Amino acid sequence: GQSLEQPSEVTAVEGAIVQINCTYQTSGFYGLSWYQQHDGGAPTFLSYNGLDGLEETGRFSSFLSRSDSYGYLLLQELQMKDSASYFCAVQGGGFKTIFGAGTRLFVKA
Amino acid sequence: EPEVTQTPSHQVTQMGQEVILRCVPISNHLYFYWYRQILGQKVEFLVSFYNNEISEKSEIFDDQFSVERPDGSNFTLKIRSTKLEDSAMYFCASTRQGVGGELFFGEGSRLTVL
Repeated sequence: GQSLEQPSEVTAVEGAIVQINCTYQTSGFYGLSWYQQHDGGAPTFLSYNGLDGLEETGRFSSFLSRSDSYGYLLLQELQMKDSASYFCAVQGGGFKTIFGAGTRLFVKA
Repeated sequence: EPEVTQTPSHQVTQMGQEVILRCVPISNHLYFYWYRQILGQKVEFLVSFYNNEISEKSEIFDDQFSVERPDGSNFTLKIRSTKLEDSAMYFCASTRQGVGGELFFGEGSRLTVL
């Protein structure tokens, strides 16, 4: 089976940097993805790590360590609009992607 | 920009009724998915579909559920004999590549079972 753990909630101030960690257990593993979901909206893709290391896309970076079954999403220069839920997701066999429970990020002025 | 479209956006049904949720994936995508999200909770995998057959399904996806790709564009989720606990947002998603592909989600169909 698959399980993912991430913090339920994080609060940070505008302009700050926040890191959301994710640990996973899975019987098959292709990669770790991150998705953002605003209230009432659909999940939207942020990043994918298939190999160890850091991937950077603008203000967002994501890291993966396969040996540690660990990854994180780093958000820099936080803006109010970044307030949302962030889900890590593992891709395993059968082309399925399993989502974690989500981390609710609150950005304060 | 191409997008995944879902209908209806909201459906209200009586317990025990059957519902069909419809999705039009992005046209050149090959892998299709249904997910469910109960309000305020995680996005739960239901089923993945590739090459006109189910490639993986979760324990939630029991005999009450079925999927179909009746033509070259639509992808449907049928829920038979709905229960109160089936009330949730149902998301369809598609991707072009099976591994490492970005999942493109539709806006969801909210199902309310009374």
